[in-house]
Amino acid sequence: ETGVTQTPRHLVMGMTNKKSLKCEQHLGHNAMYWYKQSAKKPLELMFVYSLEERVENNSVPSRFSPECPNSSHLFLHLHTLQPEDSALYLCASSQGTGASNYGYTFGSGTRLTVV
Amino acid sequence: DAKTTQPPSMDCAEGRAANLPCNHSTISGNEYVYWYRQIHSQGPQYIIHGLKNNETNEMASLIITEDRKSSTLILPHATLRDTAVYYCIVRVYNQGGKLIFGQGTELSVKP
Repeated sequence: ETGVTQTPRHLVMGMTNKKSLKCEQHLGHNAMYWYKQSAKKPLELMFVYSLEERVENNSVPSRFSPECPNSSHLFLHLHTLQPEDSALYLCASSQGTGASNYGYTFGSGTRLTVV
Repeated sequence: DAKTTQPPSMDCAEGRAANLPCNHSTISGNEYVYWYRQIHSQGPQYIIHGLKNNETNEMASLIITEDRKSSTLILPHATLRDTAVYYCIVRVYNQGGKLIFGQGTELSVKP
């Protein structure tokens, strides 16, 4: 148990479906992140939330829509995805975003397959 | 882009020390060096971090050169469970402190 819980662990969806990924942390952290990891590639930062406010959106297509209703929960809403969106989606949290001394805690990820 | 350079892969015999190098020649004075590892298809796991002094915890030791342009992660007695991709990351202070991952080093611990 890492302190950051992601559900579901595995998801298969069609290109016309709408689904959501959920991330939950009870570490008292105030920043949360979504990363994407495609096969054989490094992690790519998608979104950054600090104090429930989105502070960064790294040119992510609009078919990915994040939501942070409170400091403990983060969602990634998915719609009309493409097969190339199949990847491991990782959530992380940290205490603050501006100071270098804070590490991240990652969840185990959601393995998404778009068919 | 990642500010670090690591060898793509390394092998290590079980029970021996694994020494993983990392170059970060453009590191700024208040940027920390972090090490994470990712065991196949799991979330990255924090190992250790440091600023300028050598650091040790129950998992590993981190040796940072005096000029801070490179560092080495040492796993003192590698086991088969240490087989993973190891990421050396410089925490970018003025960009929200976000962690930018590079390709990492794929460490294979062999019996």
